[in-house]
Amino acid sequence: DIQMTQSPSSLSASVGDRVTISCRASQGIGSYLNWYQQKPGKAPKLLIYAATSLQSGIASRFSGSGSGTDFTLTISSLQPEDFATYYCQQSYTTLITFGQGTRLEI
Amino acid sequence: EVLLVESGGGLVQPGGSLRLSCAASGFTFSSYVMNWVRQAPGKGLEWVSLISASGDYSYYADSMKGRFTISRDNSKNTLHLQMSSLRAEDTAVYYCARSLPQFAQYESWGQGTLVTVSS
Repeated sequence: DIQMTQSPSSLSASVGDRVTISCRASQGIGSYLNWYQQKPGKAPKLLIYAATSLQSGIASRFSGSGSGTDFTLTISSLQPEDFATYYCQQSYTTLITFGQGTRLEI
Repeated sequence: EVLLVESGGGLVQPGGSLRLSCAASGFTFSSYVMNWVRQAPGKGLEWVSLISASGDYSYYADSMKGRFTISRDNSKNTLHLQMSSLRAEDTAVYYCARSLPQFAQYESWGQGTLVTVSS
């Protein structure tokens, strides 16, 4: 199975900060990388798909970059509603795997 | 509007069985690959299984293989997950999710149903 490793596991930031979350795959996955946001007690929400494509309805302060094994989710200017846990997911293989999550705290 | 509603969760003893359902509406169910993803309390997301649009093929995470069976009824727009030989570590919220073609992104999710395995 392809292992997905996110860093950091948790992150403290302030409103207005620029934040980056990294995700590394154990082998090359091309652009088969998606990012999700999850708030407590809620289902995950798709933010970015195909490594760089912004999902419809998602604020433009979210962006994704990378290909192969190294990927980044960037939030350009943190808003109060962005404090949540973020997960990367590889869909290169049929056996889908998620990163362990990055908790973004105030 | 795409709507996915899970049901069937509850308390079950170790070694027991449970069948989860996911009722879909607002889209052509038979055209989409469907998935189950779970989340143990306080833990991250774990992919469980997927089934093709027609139901012809399915895949499972290693830890569920042989114990879980995914199925679908396209005439009733319903996805199922039959779980047997349940263990304490299967305790989780189980989500159904619709994946889109090419990049298999999970664009729609249900609200989840909690399965608790405990004596």
